[in-house]
Amino acid sequence: NAGVTQTPKFQVLKTGQSMTLQCAQDMNHNSMYWYRQDPGMGLRLIYYSASEGTTDKGEVPNGYNVSRLNKREFSLRLESAAPSQTSVYFCASSWLNYGYTFGSGTRLTVV
Amino acid sequence: QKEVEQDPGPLSVPEGAIVSLNCTYSNSAFQYFMWYRQYSRKGPELLMYTYSSGNKEDGRFTAQVDKSSKYISLFIRDSQPSDSATYLCAMSLNQAGTALIFGKGTTLSVSS
Repeated sequence: NAGVTQTPKFQVLKTGQSMTLQCAQDMNHNSMYWYRQDPGMGLRLIYYSASEGTTDKGEVPNGYNVSRLNKREFSLRLESAAPSQTSVYFCASSWLNYGYTFGSGTRLTVV
Repeated sequence: QKEVEQDPGPLSVPEGAIVSLNCTYSNSAFQYFMWYRQYSRKGPELLMYTYSSGNKEDGRFTAQVDKSSKYISLFIRDSQPSDSATYLCAMSLNQAGTALIFGKGTTLSVSS
């Protein structure tokens, strides 16, 4: 059982470049989430999808877009990367709010 | 005021000590409370889950929720070096439809 799989694990982007972070879960969870984690800031919610076909903004959505491709996959897109988006990005999934399962994270550096 | 406040530490204790980790929150509507453990360069993993007020025990770990004071705690008995990690509290209004709100995490170091 893979749980939640995030790709890539590491990425370096130049300012203005775009990229998509991929996330897939194999636990048949309805809900999926994207968080960013920065030193001293904790985990901050970017976007979430309570169920297939729905997405909602979280605390820090500016500069990001998401797509819930199907029940398994939830992608996060940076259209024009900025240095302020340097962070560790975590995808998570859950059945209701009971026990999120997190991926291992994507470490993104924007130069 | 942030919805969830958590002292970031770091907290350093000797092996065998009792550790107390705490969070306060401002929204009295929170119903579900969790503690996550995050090892360095890993994703968080669920440690404890509590609904409403009361205590819950699992091995060396005890979670307490005091809704009247808007205060939650995690106690670790007989702490081990393997407990060295960042501990994040999290809470939500309901079981579905809204995402968890996390504290910033407390970094714990247990020395042998």
